[in-house]
Amino acid sequence: SAVISQKPSRDICQRGTSLTIQCQVDSQVTMMFWYRQQPGQSLTLIATANQGSEATYESGFVIDKFPISRPNLTFSTLTVSNMSPEDSSIYLCSVLVRGLNTEAFFGQGTRLTVV
Amino acid sequence: AQTVTQSQPEMSVQEAETVTLSCTYDTSESDYYLFWYKQPPSRQMILVIRQEAYKQQNATENRFSVNFQKAAKSFSLKISDSQLGDAAMYFCAYRSALFSGNTPLVFGKGTRLSVIA
Repeated sequence: SAVISQKPSRDICQRGTSLTIQCQVDSQVTMMFWYRQQPGQSLTLIATANQGSEATYESGFVIDKFPISRPNLTFSTLTVSNMSPEDSSIYLCSVLVRGLNTEAFFGQGTRLTVV
Repeated sequence: AQTVTQSQPEMSVQEAETVTLSCTYDTSESDYYLFWYKQPPSRQMILVIRQEAYKQQNATENRFSVNFQKAAKSFSLKISDSQLGDAAMYFCAYRSALFSGNTPLVFGKGTRLSVIA
């Protein structure tokens, strides 16, 4: 299995500011993904974090709003920029682990509230 | 693109009884993985059960089992002897086996399960 540490677990932020969410894994992973879960909704893929290259974004998500870094095989960050109340959501990182690619593991999520 | 449909926004079950959650999916691929995840109020996504599409035998994990009908593109979850701790949001998810399976999950909208004591 994999143990994922996602920080912060929750935050309340002022509109117009930015928040960086960290995802640290205890194993080398092949793929890292960032999802958004709006209140009472399902999980929507924001982007795939590629090690050593730019992230691949899904339709409706752009790099300027959600810049992602992945400097190595076990760590990634997602920044939510210039926040508005519509960005209030749970953000989750998910990973696929080498040799365990049938199962995706998840961080505990970051509950973001923008006021 | 693949889609996953869960037609039951909410379900309830009496403790110790059995409940079945429905899931259908749409794909043109022949090889893929299907999952049921549980999300309690803690927000942690917990894998309940997985099924590889090439396997005809339905997966089983203790009180949890699936009815996988590949031709019908149906993947229902049966929970037997329901317990209070089973109360949660349940998500059905699909993952392509392309690129050696290094693909993201596609989720259904979820079914909120309540367990009545």
